[in-house]
Amino acid sequence: DIVMTQTPSSQAVSAGEKVTMSCKSSQSLLYSGDQKNYLAWYQQKPGQSPKLLIYLASTRESGVPDRFIGSGSGTDFTLTISSVQAEDLADYYCQQHYSYPFTFGSGTKLEIK
Amino acid sequence: EVQLVESGGGLVQPGASLKLSCVASGFTFSDYWMSWVRQTPGKTMEWIGDIKYDGSYTNYAPSLKNRFTISRDNAKSTLYLQMSNVRSEDTATYYCTREGTMGMTDWFAYWGQGTLVTVSS
Repeated sequence: DIVMTQTPSSQAVSAGEKVTMSCKSSQSLLYSGDQKNYLAWYQQKPGQSPKLLIYLASTRESGVPDRFIGSGSGTDFTLTISSVQAEDLADYYCQQHYSYPFTFGSGTKLEIK
Repeated sequence: EVQLVESGGGLVQPGASLKLSCVASGFTFSDYWMSWVRQTPGKTMEWIGDIKYDGSYTNYAPSLKNRFTISRDNAKSTLYLQMSNVRSEDTATYYCTREGTMGMTDWFAYWGQGTLVTVSS
């Protein structure tokens, strides 16, 4: 199984600040056939279901604010929120859909100071 | 609007069986792979398995393959998860999800609201 490691487990930032969180996979998620990285990011706000933010490592889902930026390739990926808003308080999970069984990271909890 | 509505959760005794359902609307159900994902009280996310759009193929997490069965009824736009011989570690919120791309298995573009399963005597 591909192991997904997210860091940090939690972080607190002030509104307006930039935040980055990391996701590392134990195997490359870059598929040679199409040169795409099979990595998704989800946001889960308190009491809600997860919501897709980013897929194929850097493609923003429709309706997701452009302050959410996915980057990285191979085994190292980053989710950046360019200017955190109060409503971004949530848990963020990365997930690989490169190979079965699909696996998730343990999440990064974002707190707003 | 895509909607996924799970049901069937509740309190169940260890060793029992339980069947979860997920009714889909807002899209052509028979065009999409579907998955079940669970989240433990400690917030660990675990993919359980998926099923091809026509129901002809399933994949499972190896640790769950022998106890969980995914099926679908495209005429009813409904996804199912049959759980057998449940254990305390199966206590979780179970989510029904739809893949992002028609005909393909990929990211989880839509999630239901979840149904809580609690395994306890």
